[in-house]
Amino acid sequence: QKEVEQDPGPLSVPEGAIVSLNCTYSNSAFQYFMWYRQYSRKGPELLMYTYSSGNKEDGRFTAQVDKSSKYISLFIRDSQPSDSATYLCAMCVGKAAGNKLTFGGGTRVLVKP
Amino acid sequence: NAGVTQTPKFRILKIGQSMTLQCTQDMNHNYMYWYRQDPGMGLKLIYYSVGAGITDKGEVPNGYNVSRSTTEDFPLRLELAAPSQTSVYFCASSRGGLCQPQHFGDGTRLSIL
Repeated sequence: QKEVEQDPGPLSVPEGAIVSLNCTYSNSAFQYFMWYRQYSRKGPELLMYTYSSGNKEDGRFTAQVDKSSKYISLFIRDSQPSDSATYLCAMCVGKAAGNKLTFGGGTRVLVKP
Repeated sequence: NAGVTQTPKFRILKIGQSMTLQCTQDMNHNYMYWYRQDPGMGLKLIYYSVGAGITDKGEVPNGYNVSRSTTEDFPLRLELAAPSQTSVYFCASSRGGLCQPQHFGDGTRLSIL
């Protein structure tokens, strides 16, 4: 079993719909949670960064962390064709607990006009 | 502001050849990283550096070497290329440690035949 599980997709939605992305994990030591967006033939770019459980909102993006269920989510409201990309979740254990960063395999998202 | 710059963008090597992947950042970040990305497998950390003159192994260091003589540059060397090293290589940097937001270059696509 992988330490971080992420559905590879592709997830296809019509423009304007809500995109819902999820990652589950098995390591309860993870403290930091990130979502990166990666366009084709480009490097990942950070979208959201959270340290604790709960919700964090930034424009059309909302990140949720549920440590009790070992589950994180990213929601994209009013999706646009420019949101078509691969979304990577990433989770990190701090230095005191081993200093390890683990990425999910990514979910490919297609937003159709 | 260029951020993280990687060269070359593409390269084909023969088995047994060697090469150096170049990475430069202009953000004055102390921390730099090398990852490889294989389809559906997420990013795997090869080596990282916490400052000039200091490097350490990541999750998959075998077959690679690094050096860090300046804050800006963090080259990755493949000594004896093997087909298993066919991958996309990303360099990244961060102001803080591994669990802090990272800035990525656009990658080097390497094929070994």
